[in-house]
Amino acid sequence: ILNVEQSPQSLHVQEGDSTNFTCSFPSSNFYALHWYRWETAKSPEALFVMTLNGDEKKKGRISATLNTKEGYSYLYIKGSQPEDSATYLCAPGSMDSNYQLIWGAGTKLIIKP
Amino acid sequence: EAQVTQNPRYLITVTGKKLTVTCSQNMNHEYMSWYRQDPGLGLRQIYYSMNVEVTDKGDVPEGYKVSRKEKRNFPLILESPSPNQTSLYFCASRVTGVKNIQYFGAGTRLSVL
Repeated sequence: ILNVEQSPQSLHVQEGDSTNFTCSFPSSNFYALHWYRWETAKSPEALFVMTLNGDEKKKGRISATLNTKEGYSYLYIKGSQPEDSATYLCAPGSMDSNYQLIWGAGTKLIIKP
Repeated sequence: EAQVTQNPRYLITVTGKKLTVTCSQNMNHEYMSWYRQDPGLGLRQIYYSMNVEVTDKGDVPEGYKVSRKEKRNFPLILESPSPNQTSLYFCASRVTGVKNIQYFGAGTRLSVL
């Protein structure tokens, strides 16, 4: 089973500060990487899908980068707000996973007002 | 409104009593998938379906069955539930292709006593 690691597991950030976290995945036969945002008692919602090495995506204050050669992606949040509190999930898909997404355990972000 | 609908949202049952969790999507998506989510772990895929009458095992299929008789519906069947199937279950759907985002249902929290 392919291993996807997200770090840190949880993170407390002061409102207004910027933060980032990591998704590490096997780089062989990479096809796509998804980032999702999952709020408590709701369903996960897609943030980004990234496919190319060096890809950068941005959605408001949230952005992500992708390095497929070394097998990692960073998610950045600029000027954290309380509504950013959620668990952020990454999921790569590759030929090795039969093109199914393999999910990390997530980074739980808590914004302190 | 585009959505994936799961029912029930909460279910408490006893060991051995057959149950079905329904999943329906109104986006005409070919691909549907079932996941379970347990504390500290990423979403783990139970079964997926690439289209009507086409289903495949995911990473943790033991103890589960699925069917895909119609494009919109993908029920998850537990023939003889056991306590280790206590979990949070998500149904998801997308257009064919791992580069496409997944849409999730609201989740079903199942407790097997």
